[in-house]
Amino acid sequence: GNSVTQMEGPVTLSEEAFLTINCTYTATGYPSLFWYVQYPGEGLQLLLKATKADDKGSNKGFEATYRKETTSFHLEKGSVQVSDSAVYFCALSDSGGYNKLIFGAGTRLAVHP
Amino acid sequence: GAGVSQSPSNKVTEKGKDVELRCDPISGHTALYWYRQSLGQGLEFLIYFQGNSAPDKSGLPSDRFSAERTGGSVSTLTIQRTQQEDSAVYLCASSRIGTGGVETQYFGPGTRLLVL
Repeated sequence: GNSVTQMEGPVTLSEEAFLTINCTYTATGYPSLFWYVQYPGEGLQLLLKATKADDKGSNKGFEATYRKETTSFHLEKGSVQVSDSAVYFCALSDSGGYNKLIFGAGTRLAVHP
Repeated sequence: GAGVSQSPSNKVTEKGKDVELRCDPISGHTALYWYRQSLGQGLEFLIYFQGNSAPDKSGLPSDRFSAERTGGSVSTLTIQRTQQEDSAVYLCASSRIGTGGVETQYFGPGTRLLVL
């Protein structure tokens, strides 16, 4: 079945450091890929998405590229801020199904000044 | 416009009691999803509604769980004879349509359920 694997946290960084959170997936067909973020005390919100191979999603300085050859969708940011501290979830949606999201386990990011 | 809303925000109940959780999706969104977020299992899909029908109930963990949606809008998730392992945050999400794979799902704030 479809699944998502993402690197375990917590990830602890200093402000302005480079961030990478790895995400790989297993899926049949051509899924869409998403990164959702959950800030402390808030609900899940979409950070970025990519719907086909080689697409790059970007938002708030974060980027992720849909790599079909490596079945990956790694999240990157060049310079993190304290306000980026949150839990990040990689997810896929089966294009042939009913769009239910399959989530990774989540990666907690803590950014210190 | 208004986002997805859920009520109650917190619910504490005793083992064996029934609970009802409510979700108000974004107006005009035909697709509605329930997920569960728990420490041991992460984020899991429970059920999907397209309009008032539920073509995918594959994530419901047992027959104690049921859900309905009326008027193509509000949905209620019911858990009968609650057990301690039902303790989790129950999330509702909606999207414009439920097929094609590209639609963004918008999540509500969740209902935190604690079964004592």
